[in-house]
Amino acid sequence: VQVVESGGGVVQPGGSLRLSCAASGFAFSEWGMHWIRQAPGKGLEWVSTIQYNGNNKHYLDSVKGRFTISRDNSKNMLFLEMNSLIIEDTAVYYCVADGPYIAALWGQGTLVTVSS
Amino acid sequence: DIVMTQSPLSLPVTLGQPASISCRSSQSLVHSDGNTYLNWFHQRPGQSPRRLIFLISNRDSGVPDRFSGSGSGTDFTLKISRVEADDVGIYYCMQATDWPWTFGQGTRVEIK
Repeated sequence: VQVVESGGGVVQPGGSLRLSCAASGFAFSEWGMHWIRQAPGKGLEWVSTIQYNGNNKHYLDSVKGRFTISRDNSKNMLFLEMNSLIIEDTAVYYCVADGPYIAALWGQGTLVTVSS
Repeated sequence: DIVMTQSPLSLPVTLGQPASISCRSSQSLVHSDGNTYLNWFHQRPGQSPRRLIFLISNRDSGVPDRFSGSGSGTDFTLKISRVEADDVGIYYCMQATDWPWTFGQGTRVEIK
């Protein structure tokens, strides 16, 4: 039972990045999924949530219009498309699964660094 | 947004002694469905967070019964009955009752 993130890296301000999360060992299509981030040396910050069937999505105000969460239940995959990146988006991004209840399973995280 | 306030932010403890962390929310965390979506997480140095407690007081599988959660409304507590060396790290409370979900600042637990 695990989720594994990928896709992080170094990007310039204004750039784009697509994070992926591969889920295995549980009924992915039955659970809500989330992205939660942690800036270097800082606390945890919820970023986005997608319902089990992809119908409802929620975003942190500061990323609305720039980030898009999506999922492919046929491939047990979660995504986060990040555009117009700013310095303040620099963080480790965790893929987090419900099941049961909220935020039960966390990945190891992928580091996104926005820097010129 | 619901503001989550933890105290203390730093907690030096003696091995074998109890520890207690407070988490207060700026408004009630009782959802319209009757549940209170208050979780506790533990993050060891260099590791991902791990959920300890969900719905105020329900321990996750594998979490020792030394850990307990309690509270209601806006006032919640995480207690460790006897601290062990493996308990060091940062503890976070998180509310998922209302959007955006929000975390407390974190409480760093260290051994004296």
